[in-house]
Amino acid sequence: NAGVMQNPRHLVRRRGQEARLRCSPMKGHSHVYWYRQLPEEGLKFMVYLQKENIIDESGMPKERFSAEFPKEGPSILRIQQVVRGDSAAYFCASSKIEGGAEAFFGQGTRLTVV
Amino acid sequence: GNSVTQMEGPVTLSEEAFLTINCTYTATGYPSLFWYVQYPGEGLQLLLKATKADDKGSNKGFEATYRKETTSFHLEKGSVQVSDSAVYFCALSRNNAGNMLTFGGGTRLMVKP
Repeated sequence: NAGVMQNPRHLVRRRGQEARLRCSPMKGHSHVYWYRQLPEEGLKFMVYLQKENIIDESGMPKERFSAEFPKEGPSILRIQQVVRGDSAAYFCASSKIEGGAEAFFGQGTRLTVV
Repeated sequence: GNSVTQMEGPVTLSEEAFLTINCTYTATGYPSLFWYVQYPGEGLQLLLKATKADDKGSNKGFEATYRKETTSFHLEKGSVQVSDSAVYFCALSRNNAGNMLTFGGGTRLMVKP
C-alpha cells in the first residue's frame, strides 16, 4: 500500500508564474490536509478537503491560493503569481475517516521562487 | 486559539545521553497531543500520541505523558542514538481525529557518537 504521494518533490518557479502541487492520498483515504512549512519553522495548517468539498480553509491566504480535491484524481494546491515569500515546503496528509484516524504525511514539495 | 510552544534547538547530545524536549500547549476543550519526527528531506512521521489526560504515549524508547494540570507533553528518551538525530515537532489536534494539527516550531536534535 503506497503512502501519500506528492509531486513534484522540488519545484522552481519565477516570480509571477503559477505553481501546481499534487497530492495523491493513501488508498482508501478520502480526507486530505495541506500544510506549509516555512524555513526553520513548524508546519502551519492551510486547508482540509474531502472529495469535491472544502471543509476548512481557515489557514489559506485569501489571495492567489486555491485547493481542490476532485472526484477523480489527486488533490491540487494551486498558487497563482508566486512571490519569493511563497518559497516553502508544502506537505499533504491524508486520513481514512474524520474521527479517530491518524493522518499520514507525504514527503512534501519544496517550492523555490526565484 | 490553540497554540503549541516547544523548546528551541538545536539540542546537541552525546550518544546514550538522556533526552528531554519540552512542549506546552494552549487549547480549548480537550485536545489530543502528538509528537512527530522529521528526518532530513523527509515528511513527518507520527512518533507517539496521547488522547486524554494522564495518558502516556510511547514508541521506539520515546515517551511523553499528557499533563493537563501543567498543559504539557514533554518528550523523553533514556538513551539517545545517533539515528535519533532529526527535528521533533509537538502538535495538538483541533478535533479528536488527530487531523487539522497545530504544530510547535520544532526542535532539532543532534546526537554525536
